[in-house]
Amino acid sequence: GAVVSQHPSRVICKSGTSVKIECRSLDFQATTMFWYRQFPKQSLMLMATSNEGSKATYEQGVEKDKFLINHASLTLSTLTVTSAHPEDSSFYICSAMGQINQPQHFGDGTRLSIL
Amino acid sequence: SQQGEEDPQALSIQEGENATMNCSYKTSINNLQWYRQNSGRGLVHLILIRSNEREKHSGRLRVTLDTSKKSSSLLITASRAADTASYFCATDAFPAGYNKLIFGAGTRLAVHP
Repeated sequence: GAVVSQHPSRVICKSGTSVKIECRSLDFQATTMFWYRQFPKQSLMLMATSNEGSKATYEQGVEKDKFLINHASLTLSTLTVTSAHPEDSSFYICSAMGQINQPQHFGDGTRLSIL
Repeated sequence: SQQGEEDPQALSIQEGENATMNCSYKTSINNLQWYRQNSGRGLVHLILIRSNEREKHSGRLRVTLDTSKKSSSLLITASRAADTASYFCATDAFPAGYNKLIFGAGTRLAVHP
């Protein structure tokens, strides 16, 4: 149980392209979803927290106009990297939580490479 | 900012040996969690230990929590090559309901056959 699917697993695209990443909870309803960014051999940095039907809460230093988050249903959240540039290249990971104070369940991540 | 600091940063052992990883944090917490990450993959939840608990076991994993020292340890007994991964502690230190996790820097464990 508690499976989170993240798609796509890898994206390579040109600078200026907008990229959408999907995060789905397959067998549970996710009250909250989280988006993280991870640089090579480093830890996860929380970017934003999203609750179904409400606006995402962004961490300090994360541009909300750059990283658009939509949490339209209890099983789907999307992260759109708008007008991506090489410095946006990174590993993006989502997680979902069914109930408060329970573990987060993670997707397998999306490796984004902007040329 | 990083809440958890882990040591060692890297650990290399032989199969069958035990591996111990430590995590320290700075503020009061609701719970502390340990996750595992295989290279290029997402995180797998291992154990959650609440602030009023001192020790938890799951299979070959043993986690301790010392809130007076603001530290936790993860022990993997009888390690296997398949245990090779990065291990992260994460603290839930926010008011109830926020459930935001702050991750430590991680320990890269290599288990050699």
